[in-house]
Amino acid sequence: NAGVTQTPKFQVLKTGQSMTLQCAQDMNHNSMYWYRQDPGMGLRLIYYSASEGTTDKGEVPNGYNVSRLNKREFSLRLESAAPSQTSVYFCASRAGHTRGNSPLHFGNGTRLTVT
Amino acid sequence: DAKTTQPPSMDCAEGRAANLPCNHSTISGNEYVYWYRQIHSQGPQYIIHGLKNNETNEMASLIITEDRKSSTLILPHATLRDTAVYYCIVRVADSPLGGSARQLTFGSGTQLTVLP
Repeated sequence: NAGVTQTPKFQVLKTGQSMTLQCAQDMNHNSMYWYRQDPGMGLRLIYYSASEGTTDKGEVPNGYNVSRLNKREFSLRLESAAPSQTSVYFCASRAGHTRGNSPLHFGNGTRLTVT
Repeated sequence: DAKTTQPPSMDCAEGRAANLPCNHSTISGNEYVYWYRQIHSQGPQYIIHGLKNNETNEMASLIITEDRKSSTLILPHATLRDTAVYYCIVRVADSPLGGSARQLTFGSGTQLTVLP
């Protein structure tokens, strides 16, 4: 099992450009999450998907959109990138409501720089 | 989800036990305590979780006080590779029916530095 796979690992964008961060998990998990981490700070939740077909906003959703494409995949889209979105983005998944206290499993992150 | 308080940093000598405290004085009866760690530049890694009993696995032990208002993560024989930021989180389990999705929020954690 690969666990949680994120692509790309690194990306540089110019202000105003758009891109989609991809995330896939092979653990048959119900819930998936997108976090961002700025230097020296903890993780802040952007969006999450409790189960296939549902998505909800987290702490810092502005400037982002998400798609839960199927049970395996949860993508994060920046429509018009801004320098304030320079960050490391982590995707995570967990079994979810079928295992109520299941822990999160994280990918290794996408390092995004917006110039 | 209950708020947690952790010291910003701690040092530990290699080979000694590392004891990382976490205060969660507003924890509810149905909230679990979870510990994760993040080694530099990697994604966070799950360590252990518990409800009210002490727990142990191959990585660590979790001691939860009887009133559940605080807990301690113990790494019994710390190595240099245990240098990381350690996060303590408390949250409820999802209901079997799913219900509203559960957000998991990470604070700033404790930077543990294991010294040679």
